[in-house]
Amino acid sequence: KQEVTQIPAALSVPEGENLVLNCSFTDSAIYNLQWFRQDPGKGLTSLLLIQSSQREQTSGRLNASLDKSSGRSTLYIAASQPGDSATYLCAVLTGGGNKLTFGTGTQLKVEL
Amino acid sequence: DAGITQSPRHKVTETGTPVTLRCHQTENHRYMYWYRQDPGHGLRLIHYSYGVKDTDKGEVSDGYSVSRSKTEDFLLTLESATSSQTSVYFCAISEVSGLDGYTFGSGTRLTVV
Repeated sequence: KQEVTQIPAALSVPEGENLVLNCSFTDSAIYNLQWFRQDPGKGLTSLLLIQSSQREQTSGRLNASLDKSSGRSTLYIAASQPGDSATYLCAVLTGGGNKLTFGTGTQLKVEL
Repeated sequence: DAGITQSPRHKVTETGTPVTLRCHQTENHRYMYWYRQDPGHGLRLIHYSYGVKDTDKGEVSDGYSVSRSKTEDFLLTLESATSSQTSVYFCAISEVSGLDGYTFGSGTRLTVV
C-alpha cells in the first residue's frame, strides 16, 4: 500500500526566506506527483504536476523536483511571502490510475 | 476552481436523513471523483466515475452512493447520514484518469447532528 509522508508537519519562517518542503512515498511505481496548496476552509489548488519521466517542474517562485527511485519529492519556494501561508499537500498517482494517495501536508506560516 | 462547482457549500443535516451533494463541471472531463477530508486521515477517495453511468468504489465507499447521468454532473448521496460522515467533501475532475493531474472543487462542509 502506498504511503506518503510530508516533513515537516508545520513550518514557520520569516518573510523572504527560501524554504524546502519534503514529500516521500513508499512505492516508486508512480505515474506522477502533484503538489497542491490549501488555504484554510478552501479547496485544493494545483501548483505543479511532475510526470514520472520528469525530474522537475517550475512555476514562478516554485520549483518541484522528483527522484522516483528514492521515493522523494521536494517543493522549493523562493523568497517566501506572507501570502504563501497555507497547507501544502503532495499526492502521488499509482496503480492503474484513480489511486491518488495524499500526504498529510505541511502547514506553512510566513511571518512579516 | 473555474470549471468545477460544488453545491451546497455548507449543509447541516440530522442523523438518518438522506443527503445529496452535487458536483458540476464545465470542462467535459471524463473522470470525476468524490473525496472526503478529515483531520488525521487526509483526503480519501469515496467513489469515482469514468464516464456516464460508469462508476466504481473507492477506499471509503460504505454508506455512500453516486450517480452520473450526464458528463457534467456527479452526485454523491448519503443514504442515511451518520455523525461519522461529518466531513468536508471535495469533488475532483481529470481528463485522462489522473495522468493529466486533478482539479478540485471548493468543497462542501457537511455536518451531521
